[in-house]
This record gives sequence, C-alpha cells and structure tokens, in this order.
Amino acid sequence: GAGVSQTPSNKVTEKGKYVELRCDPISGHTALYWYRQSLGQGPEFLIYFQGTGAADDSGLPNDRFFAVRPEGSVSTLKIQRTERGDSAVYLCASSPTANEKLFFGSGTQLSVL
Amino acid sequence: GQQLNQSPQSMFIQEGEDVSMNCTSSSIFNTWLWYKQDPGEGPVLLIALYKAGELTSNGRLTAQFGITRKDSFLNISASIPSDVGIYFCAGQKFQGAQKLVFGQGTRLTINP
Repeated sequence: GAGVSQTPSNKVTEKGKYVELRCDPISGHTALYWYRQSLGQGPEFLIYFQGTGAADDSGLPNDRFFAVRPEGSVSTLKIQRTERGDSAVYLCASSPTANEKLFFGSGTQLSVL
Repeated sequence: GQQLNQSPQSMFIQEGEDVSMNCTSSSIFNTWLWYKQDPGEGPVLLIALYKAGELTSNGRLTAQFGITRKDSFLNISASIPSDVGIYFCAGQKFQGAQKLVFGQGTRLTINP
C-alpha cells in the first residue's frame, strides 16, 4: 500500500492477556517509530528502529513492552500481562531515513477490560 | 512523560475567521513541528521549523519558531470547514531520529 498500515485497527483484550500489534511501514523506509496516544493527549514516543535494530527504546514504559523488526521492514509491538492503563491508540510511523519527516499510520486502538 | 504546553485546548470559531494557537516549553528544542490529526487517523505534518526566529508559511498556515527556542505559534487565516481537527505542536531536541515531544493538542471546531 501507499501508506503505513497498522493491524488490527481495534483490539479488545482482558487484563493480564498478551497482545501483538503490527506495523507495515512505507516500502523502503529505513526508520520506524512507535508512539502511544492516550485519550485527549498528544502522542508519546516509545521506541525507534533504524533498520533491524532498536536504536532508542527509552520511551517503553516498562519491561512488559517489547518491539521487534527482524527483517528491517514489518515491526511488531508486544505487550505482556496487559493492564487497564495500557489502553490507548498505538501509532506507528516511518520515514525514509532517520532525520526525515514522519508518516503516521492510523493506529491501533487497544482497549484492556 | 514530558509534554509541551499547548493553548488553547479548544477553539470554536466561525468560518472565515483567523485562528492562532501556541506552544511553550521549559526547555529548548532545535526543531518545532506542527501536525494536524483527523478522527481515526494519524497526525499529518503541516509545517516544520528549523531555526530560531524562522517564520514559515504553507498556504493559509503560518508558523514561527520562537527566538528563545522554547515556543512556537501557528496561525490559520480565513478558516474553512476542512480545517476542523486537532492540531499538535511537537518539538525535537536533537538532529537525527524523530524522537518528538508533543503538546496536548488544540481542538478546532468551525461553525459554518
């Protein structure tokens, strides 16, 4: 597709469950970012990949959160033992190189009941 | 986490009016960005500012990078219905990776 694709668009889970959120960046974009947007707030940085490696994961809130990008394209954000406070929109963005403008996907709305 | 202070939180205006919103921070940023977000979508970049004092326009939008590097404003002239949405400022401290700090957003509503 032409833009950043995120699946699923909505995910409802129960407290304590494990979830995976997927991001397909724009083809050829080497940089990939995950942001989290809580209701009524701006996005907050979680993690940044350059190629296959996590160049900066300083925004991950705790060790329940983990992300991978094994082949330098698709990325998966993994959340273990979900908590109600994890409910938010998880946004993925990509850019051609690290210092170019971001193209955001439409996000995954995660609801933890 | 840190967020920029953006105001106003919401605006209700008539079509054709001009709009002004601003963003402040207690720390310095080297790049200021303004985004627009429509419901159910991700933010889309409107304007990027790279130098203190810089004034940049994009159609009816004008933004400025404050001299102190701690603030920025966005003006929209002659608003139209498609301007409705949430506007976010964002700051970037270091060159390179787009590790951005966002404001809380300004929700713009336009009465036709």
